[in-house]
Amino acid sequence: DAGVIQSPRHEVTEMGQEVTLRCKPISGHNSLFWYRQTMMRGLELLIYFNNNVPIDDSGMPEDRFSAKMPNASFSTLKIQPSEPRDSAVYFCASSPPGGRQYFGPGTRLTVT
Amino acid sequence: DAKTTQPTSMDCAEGRAANLPCNHSTISGNEYVYWYRQIHSQGPQYIIHGLKNNETNEMASLIITEDRKSSTLILPHATLRDTAVYYCIVRPGVSETSGSRLTFGEGTQLTVNP
Repeated sequence: DAGVIQSPRHEVTEMGQEVTLRCKPISGHNSLFWYRQTMMRGLELLIYFNNNVPIDDSGMPEDRFSAKMPNASFSTLKIQPSEPRDSAVYFCASSPPGGRQYFGPGTRLTVT
Repeated sequence: DAKTTQPTSMDCAEGRAANLPCNHSTISGNEYVYWYRQIHSQGPQYIIHGLKNNETNEMASLIITEDRKSSTLILPHATLRDTAVYYCIVRPGVSETSGSRLTFGEGTQLTVNP
């Protein structure tokens, strides 16, 4: 099992550019979570999906952030336009029905 | 979700048991205690969880007090690779068909010293 796969692992972009982060959950898992980690705010949930449907997006900072899950094996988190304060490590996690969460290695985003 | 309180940091000698406490005095009857850890620059890793009874797996033991207001994670023989931030999280039991959120606090930075 390859675990949760995230790409890219590192992203450096300029302010105002669009950023797309990608996640492939573990096969058979039906819940997917996007988290963000910063020194100031710690690890916080942005949004999560059950069976490809967004359940709770209350952690999404603002309209510049959007997440999609077009099928059970793929999800994206998009930031448009990006700002320096979006710099963080973004983690994707997945879980099977009723099970624990497995985290990916994260994407380190730097917005200059 | 119930709030948890953990010490900011702890030290442990290599080979000795590491005992990490967590207070969750407002826990409700259907909430589980979960422990995750995060080794520097990696994604969080599940360790163990429990409802009422003590639990043990290949990584650790979880001791939950009878009133469920506190718990202790025990790493029986800590190694240098156990140096990490340990998070104690309280969350409702999840359904058989869906997941639920994890709310991470600041956790305990455990440093295992040679």
